[in-house]
Amino acid sequence: KQEVTQIPAALSVPEGENLVLNCSFTDSAIYNLQWFRQDPGKGLTSLLLIQSSQREQTSGRLNASLDKSSGRSTLYIAASQPGDSATYLCAVRSNDYKLSFGAGTTVTVRA
Amino acid sequence: EAGVAQSPRYKIIEKRQSVAFWCNPISGHATLYWYQQILGQGPKLLIQFQNNGVVDDSQLPKDRFSAERLKGVDSTLKIQPAKLEDSAVYLCASSDRILAFYEQYFGPGTRLTVT
Repeated sequence: KQEVTQIPAALSVPEGENLVLNCSFTDSAIYNLQWFRQDPGKGLTSLLLIQSSQREQTSGRLNASLDKSSGRSTLYIAASQPGDSATYLCAVRSNDYKLSFGAGTTVTVRA
Repeated sequence: EAGVAQSPRYKIIEKRQSVAFWCNPISGHATLYWYQQILGQGPKLLIQFQNNGVVDDSQLPKDRFSAERLKGVDSTLKIQPAKLEDSAVYLCASSDRILAFYEQYFGPGTRLTVT
């Protein structure tokens, strides 16, 4: 069974600092990995999706890397802003197409 | 393109009552998912449909939860009878395997409180 872990559970940084969010998974036989953002009381917004054959994906200030062999993905957010405050969730789709979520990292960016 | 629609947004019921949630996925998306998200946890998959067939319902508490997607479009999730531990946000998502490698798009969710 795929287990997905996100560390740390919470993170607080001053505005302008770069954010590094970690996601680890136990089974490297994955189809893809997706990063989501969740604002309080809202649904999930897709940020980036990385196919198993890819090493990274970029969108604006966001960059996600994938190291399948070590079971890790990292989401980098450059030059953080207060609007980046949210919970970030990592979801791994295994080769049997089942999806497993981590518990998320709650980010607070202080102005 | 319209997103995933869910209703109601909020629901408060007493334990042992029944409740139903509705979801309309993005047009053309064959795959539909229902998730349960308890406060402080990641979403847990309850059931996955491919068109109107069930692909995975291994984590659905079938003694009290049921779901259907009769025409392969919108879907209903029902809880009967509800327990206190069912208090959670119920999220619906959809994806298109062919065009988007199963990238999922989520609705706003329904927040259920069982008292």
